[in-house]
Amino acid sequence: DAGVIQSPRHEVTEMGQEVTLRCKPISGHDYLFWYRQTMMRGLELLIYFNNNVPIDDSGMPEDRFSAKMPNASFSTLKIQPSEPRDSAVYFCASRTGFDGYTFGSGTRLTVV
Amino acid sequence: GNSVTQMEGPVTLSEEAFLTINCTYTATGYPSLFWYVQYPGEGLQLLLKATKADDKGSNKGFEATYRKETTSFHLEKGSVQVSDSAVYFCALSDRFGNEKLTFGTGTRLTIIP
Repeated sequence: DAGVIQSPRHEVTEMGQEVTLRCKPISGHDYLFWYRQTMMRGLELLIYFNNNVPIDDSGMPEDRFSAKMPNASFSTLKIQPSEPRDSAVYFCASRTGFDGYTFGSGTRLTVV
Repeated sequence: GNSVTQMEGPVTLSEEAFLTINCTYTATGYPSLFWYVQYPGEGLQLLLKATKADDKGSNKGFEATYRKETTSFHLEKGSVQVSDSAVYFCALSDRFGNEKLTFGTGTRLTIIP
C-alpha cells in the first residue's frame, strides 16, 4: 500500500488567495482526519470523517476553512481567503478499527 | 476529558545513553496508548502501541509499558543512536466511542555522537 498520500508537499500563496489541500487515505480505512501542526500550538485536530461523513468539525478555526470528502478515496481541505496565520504543516491521517493512525507526509503551507 | 502530559524537551543525549521520555494520561474507560515519532520534514509514524494494562509495546529497541495504576506509558531505549533524533509524541485513544487520538505536546530528542 502506498500509504496516505497528500498533495502538494509545499504550497506558497499570497494572502487572500484560495488554497486547496488534498488527501488520499489508505484503501479500506473508514476514518479520515485533518490535523494542523505549528510550533506554537502543536498538533491540532481540525475535522474528522467516518465513512465520508463529517463527524466533528469543532477544531476548524473559522469559516474560512472547509473540508469535504466526496468519496472514500479523496478529501480536500480548503482555506478561502488564506491569511499569514494559516501558515503551518497540514497533515491528513486515516485509520480503521481501534489501531493508531497512518499519517501522510503533510503539506507545508506558507501564506505571504 | 482525555489528556496526555509529556515531559518537556528538548532532550539532548550522547550516543549509547539510556533514554526515558515520561508520559502520563487522563482518560475515561480503557484507552489504547501509542508512541509516534516524527523525523524532520516527515509525518508522524506509529512507533509502538499497547491496548490494555500491563501490555508492553516494543519496536526498534524502544519499549513502553501500559501502567494503569500510575496512568503512565513511559518510552525507554537502552542505547540511543544518532538516527533516533526526532520528535516523539505520546497519544491515547478511547476505545469506547471516541475515535479521536489525543496527543501530547511532543518531546524533541537530539542525540549527539
